Amino acid sequence: AQKITQTQPGMFVQEKEAVTLDCTYDTSDPSYGLFWYKQPSSGEMIFLIYQGSYDQQNATEGRYSLNFQKARKSANLVISASQLGDSAMYFCAMREEVNTGNQFYFGTGTSLTVIP
Amino acid sequence: GAGVSQSPRYKVAKRGQDVALRCDPISGHVSLFWYQQALGQGPEFLTYFQNEAQLDKSGLPSDRFFAERPEGSVSTLKIQRTQQEDSAVYLCASSSRLAGVANTGELFFGEGSRLTVL
Repeated sequence: AQKITQTQPGMFVQEKEAVTLDCTYDTSDPSYGLFWYKQPSSGEMIFLIYQGSYDQQNATEGRYSLNFQKARKSANLVISASQLGDSAMYFCAMREEVNTGNQFYFGTGTSLTVIP
Repeated sequence: GAGVSQSPRYKVAKRGQDVALRCDPISGHVSLFWYQQALGQGPEFLTYFQNEAQLDKSGLPSDRFFAERPEGSVSTLKIQRTQQEDSAVYLCASSSRLAGVANTGELFFGEGSRLTVL
C-alpha cells in the first residue's frame, strides 16, 4: 500500500485565489511527521511546512497552512492568495518516527499552475 | 558550506560504465538520505544513513547500486554497469534529527545529480 497518496496530478488556480492540495497517508506508527515540499522547475526541493502527529493545532507558515485531519489520515496543504511564483510541483511527505527510525516517504506530487 | 552539496550536477555515461555521485551534507547533520527521481515523479527512497551506519538500503534497485558514508559526513552513491533505466535525478538530503529528539527535522535537499545513460 502507498504510504502517501496525492490524487491530483495537476491543479490550476487563479492568481490571488486560494487552493487546496490533497494528501492522504497510511501508517501504523504511533508517532509521525507530515511535510510539504515545493519543487520549482529549477529542481530544488524547498521545505514549506511541518505537522507533527501529536500537534493539536494545524500548522501555518505565512500563506501556507496544513489542514490536518488525523482520523481521516489527511494532511492537505492550503495556499492562500496564490502568486505566479507558486507554480511548481508540490510533494507531501511523511516521516515515521518509531517503526522505521525516521524513514521519509514521498507522494507522487501535484503540479500547480497559477493563472494570471 | 551552508547547504547540501552534490556533484557532479550532470553526468552522461555510456551504458555499462560505472558512475559515482557525491553528497556533502550540512555540517553536523547525522541523517543522510538518497532518493531517485524520475522525470515527473516523486522522489523514490534508495538508502538512509545515520552517521556512518547504513540503517536502510531496501530501496536500492539492484546490487549494482552501492552507497557508503565511511566517516559519517560525505556520502557516495555508486552505480556499476549503468543501464538506461538508471537515468534519473539522484537527490541527496540531510537532516539533523535523531530518533527521539523533538525537532522538526525536515530534510534539506541538494540540487541533485542528473544522470543520463546513453
